[in-house]
Amino acid sequence: GAVVSQHPSRVICKSGTSVKIECRSLDFQATTMFWYRQFPKQSLMLMATSNEGSKATYEQGVEKDKFLINHASLTLSTLTVTSAHPEDSSFYICSASRQGYGYTFGSGTRLTVV
Amino acid sequence: GEDVEQSLFLSVREGDSSVINCTYTDSSSTYLYWYKQEPGAGLQLLTYIFSNMDMKQDQRLTVLLNKKDKHLSLRIADTQTGDSAIYFCAESLNSGNTPLVFGKGTRLSVIA
Repeated sequence: GAVVSQHPSRVICKSGTSVKIECRSLDFQATTMFWYRQFPKQSLMLMATSNEGSKATYEQGVEKDKFLINHASLTLSTLTVTSAHPEDSSFYICSASRQGYGYTFGSGTRLTVV
Repeated sequence: GEDVEQSLFLSVREGDSSVINCTYTDSSSTYLYWYKQEPGAGLQLLTYIFSNMDMKQDQRLTVLLNKKDKHLSLRIADTQTGDSAIYFCAESLNSGNTPLVFGKGTRLSVIA
């Protein structure tokens, strides 16, 4: 079946630094990538939707200058958390999809900002 | 707007059946999904059902859809301790182009 590789699985960074999270679809071409954020014991909150070669569409309340999303190819999307602060600590999950093929999720990235 | 509701907790004894319920508001939802999330992990697709189906069975899993009431359920037969996890119900208008809308998740605890 479809596989999405998300890295890193866990990262600890200092406040003020930037962190990049990668999401790769290994065996299919993902025309759309979705980025979610999950707080402890809560559901997944959609942050943004990105289509290959286009600018990402951000959900209301999500700062596009803080959460930079790049979807330059059909197999790779990246989320960069810029100038991270402790309140950005969370679990980030990507989902790769293609029309008619459903959604495949990465294994998630636990970000801790200290 | 779209909304998906689930009960937050369910506790069952090992060997019993578990039934996790979900209601949704968007009548144009075409696909309905059940995902499983274990601690610290991503989401694992368990099963999905098209809106023109009433039931789908896959080994220990049975999905029932009542489109009139916008009610979806997931039954897990012979529940095992390894089934302990959070189960998310989700809907989408199509399969891939639009984002999934998730419920808050039901935490299933299986007691040995």
